[in-house]
Amino acid sequence: GAGVSQSPRYKVAKRGQDVALRCDPISGHVSLFWYQQALGQGPEFLTYFQNEAQLDKSGLPSDRFFAERPEGSVSTLKIQRTQQEDSAVYLCASSLATGDGYEQYFGPGTRLTVT
Amino acid sequence: AQSVTQLDSQVPVFEEAPVELRCNYSSSVSVYLFWYVQYPNQGLQLLLKYLSGSTLVKGINGFEAEFNKSQTSFHLRKPSVHISDTAEYFCAVSDGGGFQKLVFGTGTRLLVSP
Repeated sequence: GAGVSQSPRYKVAKRGQDVALRCDPISGHVSLFWYQQALGQGPEFLTYFQNEAQLDKSGLPSDRFFAERPEGSVSTLKIQRTQQEDSAVYLCASSLATGDGYEQYFGPGTRLTVT
Repeated sequence: AQSVTQLDSQVPVFEEAPVELRCNYSSSVSVYLFWYVQYPNQGLQLLLKYLSGSTLVKGINGFEAEFNKSQTSFHLRKPSVHISDTAEYFCAVSDGGGFQKLVFGTGTRLLVSP
C-alpha cells in the first residue's frame, strides 16, 4: 500500500508569505506527527494528532505555526508570515495507533526555503 | 528533559568492514530507544527499536544495537557494511508517555567506500 505522502516536495516562499504544507498519512493510521528538520540537524517534534484531536502542540516554535487535521486523516501545517529561520524540511509521520511499539512511518518531507 | 547525543557527525568506513555508530541518551525516566536511517531525499525508516526485554536488538539490513542502561548508551553495529548503507543515521528516544513523541540526535553520516 501507499506510504505517507507530502506535498509539495519543495516550496520556495518570500519572507512574509504564508505557506501550507500537506500530509497524507497511511490510511487508517490514528496518530499523526509533524517534525521540523533544520539543515544538519535531527528532526524536532512540532505537534501530534490523535485522529482529529491535536493533543500536543508544545513544539510549535511560534504562534505563526498552525496545524490541523479536521477529519482525522489529511493534515495541513500552515506557517504565516514566513521568516528565514523557518527554512527547513518538514516531516510528517503516522502510526497505526497510540502508544509504544507502534512504528512511526515518515513521509519524504517538504523542503521549505524562505528567501 | 530527554536528550540524545551522537558524538560522531561522520563515520567513514571501507566496504565489508565492521562499523559502530554511537548513541548516548539522558533521561530521568524509563526510555524507549530507536535507530532510524535516512537516505537522500527520502523519509526516515525505522532500523530497530528497544522497548523492553533483551538488551540486544536486531533490526533490518543486518544492523543490531545493544541497550546499556548503566552507560546510558544504545550503539548501532553492523559486522560488514555495504556501499548501499551510505546514509544518515539517527538515534531517537521516547519516554513512552502515551504517544511516543520522539527526541532525535543530530545524526551520523555513514560513508562507505569501496
